Amino acid sequence: DVKVTQSSRYLVKRTGEKVFLECVQDMDHENMFWYRQDPGLGLRLIYFSYDVKMKEKGDIPEGYSVSREKKERFSLILESASTNQTSMYLCASSPGQGRYQETQYFGPGTRLLVL
Amino acid sequence: AQKVTQAQTEISVVEKEDVTLDCVYETRDTTYYLFWYKQPPSGELVFLIRRNSFDEQNEISGRYSWNFQKSTSSFNFTITASQVVDSAVYFCALSATGSARQLTFGSGTQLTVLP
Repeated sequence: DVKVTQSSRYLVKRTGEKVFLECVQDMDHENMFWYRQDPGLGLRLIYFSYDVKMKEKGDIPEGYSVSREKKERFSLILESASTNQTSMYLCASSPGQGRYQETQYFGPGTRLLVL
Repeated sequence: AQKVTQAQTEISVVEKEDVTLDCVYETRDTTYYLFWYKQPPSGELVFLIRRNSFDEQNEISGRYSWNFQKSTSSFNFTITASQVVDSAVYFCALSATGSARQLTFGSGTQLTVLP
């Protein structure tokens, strides 16, 4: 079974803090993704990565950065957290090759509250 | 541009009823993939099915079935004899080869199955 884990289920931070959200997958997947999910807005792609040290902006990259130093780990960084970044953050990975190359598998999510 | 529309925001049914969740998509690509995910209250998105654009065969898996019709650009999901555990938000998603690593999600349908 594909396993995608996220470092925290719940996180509370103060405005201006630097926040790191970590995601690890154990299936040697090429691609990794970060989404945020907000009521009424659905899932929106923040950033994705198709290889180590490679990254591409998604639909809403402003205020975020990412890091992928190792294939299995994809970090989302909020350089200076703001209250409008309070959200549910979901990490996903996909194989990138083979028959189910585009199928994304999701982690349990991190609910971030910025005060 | 790609788009996925789930017109049903919320559906309530009584246990053992059948329920169909609608999904309509738009894409200019001739090769694409369609997905359904389930998001229970715990928050994790669970992959249910993937279908490619060349395979219009309907699929059945236990109480779940999917009806893919290219002529109407629809990929509907039916749950037969619904159960309380089916209560969740269900998302339809589209991945086209032009942006093969990205998914475009619908806004989701909240299904509540009442005992």
